[in-house]
Amino acid sequence: DAKTTQPPSMDCAEGRAANLPCNHSTISGNEYVYWYRQIHSQGPQYIIHGLKNNETNEMASLIITEDRKSSTLILPHATLRDTAVYYCISTGTGNQFYFGTGTSLTVIP
Amino acid sequence: GAVVSQHPSWVICKSGTSVKIECRSLDFQATTMFWYRQFPKQSLMLMATSNEGSKATYEQGVEKDKFLINHASLTLSTLTVTSAHPEDSSFYICSAIQGAGQPQHFGDGTRLSIL
Repeated sequence: DAKTTQPPSMDCAEGRAANLPCNHSTISGNEYVYWYRQIHSQGPQYIIHGLKNNETNEMASLIITEDRKSSTLILPHATLRDTAVYYCISTGTGNQFYFGTGTSLTVIP
Repeated sequence: GAVVSQHPSWVICKSGTSVKIECRSLDFQATTMFWYRQFPKQSLMLMATSNEGSKATYEQGVEKDKFLINHASLTLSTLTVTSAHPEDSSFYICSAIQGAGQPQHFGDGTRLSIL
């Protein structure tokens, strides 16, 4: 079963930062937090992942709270192409992903 | 890098036939591959975990005799839907990882329609 909860939908104005929250209150010490997105009829695309520290790459930033019970994915300057369903997943040593329902992000012109 | 290819991308077949879907890691060796199913407007559901050279581990409720998984090499896993019926129509997606703790890299999925 999925161990994360996310709001079902969000809107963001084009050019503004999109902040997508995720709760993973039952996460254990060795479980990573992964973020993926899925555009209709395609496979999920990897965005970023982290364990304890905040992470940044060319796509996004990941902010993990100190107690690791929640995280926020930040898309710094949202574009129309960022409209997708965003999934937050926590996984342990078995590497299995149990997807939740995700957040449907709509970037508005 | 880290490209996963699935074939075919779309298949339509008659009820009762078997359908094979291939998943290949093109530029890396995958220690583990995963198979998912996704129904319209729903999330991905993990079906099974496949390690090269060993039997797949199926999730609860997934029929192993109906969904045959073969992982013969570090770059290829296949899913065969045996005696497919209309209720098996779905979007099937595979993923692969290079090692423990590494991100899963997903294929673009196979849309299966059973008439």
